[in-house]
Amino acid sequence: DVKVTQSSRYLVKRTGEKVFLECVQDMDHENMFWYRQDPGLGLRLIYFSYDVKMKEKGDIPEGYSVSREKKERFSLILESASTNQTSMYLCASSFSHTQYFGPGTRLTVL
Amino acid sequence: DAKTTQPPSMDCAEGRAANLPCNHSTISGNEYVYWYRQIHSQGPQYIIHGLKNNETNEMASLIITEDRKSSTLILPHATLRDTAVYYCIVRVALSGSARQLTFGSGTQLTVLP
Repeated sequence: DVKVTQSSRYLVKRTGEKVFLECVQDMDHENMFWYRQDPGLGLRLIYFSYDVKMKEKGDIPEGYSVSREKKERFSLILESASTNQTSMYLCASSFSHTQYFGPGTRLTVL
Repeated sequence: DAKTTQPPSMDCAEGRAANLPCNHSTISGNEYVYWYRQIHSQGPQYIIHGLKNNETNEMASLIITEDRKSSTLILPHATLRDTAVYYCIVRVALSGSARQLTFGSGTQLTVLP
């Protein structure tokens, strides 16, 4: 089975802190994605990567950056966390037609 | 992107078939229809996808109308564990082989004992 893991299920940070969310997949997938999910807004794509060191902006990249130094790992970085970044963050990797999602990280910024 | 429309909620009796409809009247000829579901507090889970023909796998069946303007996901024998939000999605192409999935509000399916 494909496994996508995320570093934390729950995270609480303070405004202004730098936050790292880590995602690891074990199936050698080229494509990886970061989404955030908010009530009433569905899943929105933040960034995606189609190869090591390659990244592209999604629909809502402002306030975020990403890093993909190794194929299996895709990191989401909040340079200076703000309260409006409180959300559920979901990582996914894909092969062909199917995206496999991790369990999500619920981030609260105080 | 082709927009999808789904009913906000549906109920189904345990053991019966659950039929979840989706309208996608503006779908283009090379766009696939995908179904995912999300059980509370978990990441979305892939169920099935199709282009023109009906598809079946171990989880569900997908029926696409001949004009491709709508589709139905069928869970043949619903169980309580199938209670989830079900998303019907039309795929948008991104760079390389990446494919963005645009999730709408989906249908909350509740399987009743």
